Amino acid sequence: DADVTQTPRNRITKTGKRIMLECSQTKGHDRMYWYRQDPGLGLQLIYYSFDVKDINKGEISDGYSVSRQAQAKFSLSLESAIPNQTALYFCATREPGTGGYSNQPQHFGDGTRLSIL
Amino acid sequence: AQTVTQSQPEMSVQEAETVTLSCTYDTSESDYYLFWYKQPPSRQMILVIRQEAYKQQNATENRFSVNFQKAAKSFSLKISDSQLGDAAMYFCAYRSTVTQGGSEKLVFGKGTKLTVNP
Repeated sequence: DADVTQTPRNRITKTGKRIMLECSQTKGHDRMYWYRQDPGLGLQLIYYSFDVKDINKGEISDGYSVSRQAQAKFSLSLESAIPNQTALYFCATREPGTGGYSNQPQHFGDGTRLSIL
Repeated sequence: AQTVTQSQPEMSVQEAETVTLSCTYDTSESDYYLFWYKQPPSRQMILVIRQEAYKQQNATENRFSVNFQKAAKSFSLKISDSQLGDAAMYFCAYRSTVTQGGSEKLVFGKGTKLTVNP
């Protein structure tokens, strides 16, 4: 079973619709992230969360919102989808590391391909 | 702000040969982490290797190794004995050690597409 599960895997929707992408993890990590991948641009951070009560904006948070319903679940919402939000979305998790060092890598889900018409 | 540059949009290698993918980065920080991620056509993001900047020894993971040149801010990935399954997009990524504000994020390069020819 996958440690980081994203649903749906693919989604096609229309402009103006509200969309929710879900992420759940079985790794027990406290840190969770949402990234967006556009062709030729690598991945960009949308939001991240250190725990249920600690949510932070990333570099491209406009037009998005998140909810950390539990340690294992982190959802990304597009309140009113627009075509330039068409992209591949990744959820990731990370454990904080030990001894003051955050050297643990991020572990990614398989992504949600979102197309907005 | 930190930036990561992968100057080779595409590379190709013959099966069983060795290939090196380039990555340079720009930062004013003295301590940080560097990663290589692999993204095959299945679109998963898979960690290949990581390097802590405070370690002088280059990281190795089986057929994968890095050449970390801190002064030159260079972090290249060498793949030895290339296999067909190595064909993928490879992303270089940087992360600060200070987990405050935006420094928690991974900063990615734009990727290098590696083709492995039989």
